[in-house]
Amino acid sequence: DTGVSQNPRHKITKRGQNVTFRCDPISEHNRLYWYRQTLGQGPEFLTYFQNEAQLEKSRLLSDRFSAERPKGSFSTLEIQRTEQGDSAMYLCASSLGDGRDTQYFGPGTRLTVL
Amino acid sequence: AQSVTQPDIHITVSEGASLELRCNYSYGATPYLFWYVQSPGQGLQLLLKYFSGDTLVQGIKGFEAEFKRSQSSFNLRKPSVHWSDAAEYFCAVGAVNDYKLSFGAGTTVTVRA
Repeated sequence: DTGVSQNPRHKITKRGQNVTFRCDPISEHNRLYWYRQTLGQGPEFLTYFQNEAQLEKSRLLSDRFSAERPKGSFSTLEIQRTEQGDSAMYLCASSLGDGRDTQYFGPGTRLTVL
Repeated sequence: AQSVTQPDIHITVSEGASLELRCNYSYGATPYLFWYVQSPGQGLQLLLKYFSGDTLVQGIKGFEAEFKRSQSSFNLRKPSVHWSDAAEYFCAVGAVNDYKLSFGAGTTVTVRA
């Protein structure tokens, strides 16, 4: 069990550029979640996958955001035409998907939009 | 909709002293409750969780939490803090049919020598 991994750990980009983040969940975990955390706040839910199916999206996830989980393994989160308000820590979590679900988090990707 | 309130933004405690962090939740059904800890620039580490049964739950690093349904609370405690406990602590609520977690705004703990 190597835990949830995320890449890159840090990303600095200019406004208007596209960025993509990757999350590798704990193997055998069926569920994968993305959260966003801004300074001084707790994480806020963005979206959730059960295997390869994206089952729920938050209203925080504007049409500039897209997430995929091909083949139910790793996931990517893409932000198009980044804005300064997108600057945040993007956290990925995974869980087994059994009745008493416990989410385990990765180290996060810190995005800074200049 | 579920929500979590952590009334204390920042707590300073002396090393060796006891610590209690407050968490109040709002949820119509039986909640699943969690405490996570986050060190600067890091992800969240699970300290403990409550699903059902014994309302006093033990976690890692000597932490415990007590679920009080009548007060809608899930306070975190540690009898004697260590300097390494300095971090930000988040309470979160989930449910059996609602997979996403709702987090409080967090409590920052500073430990003084």
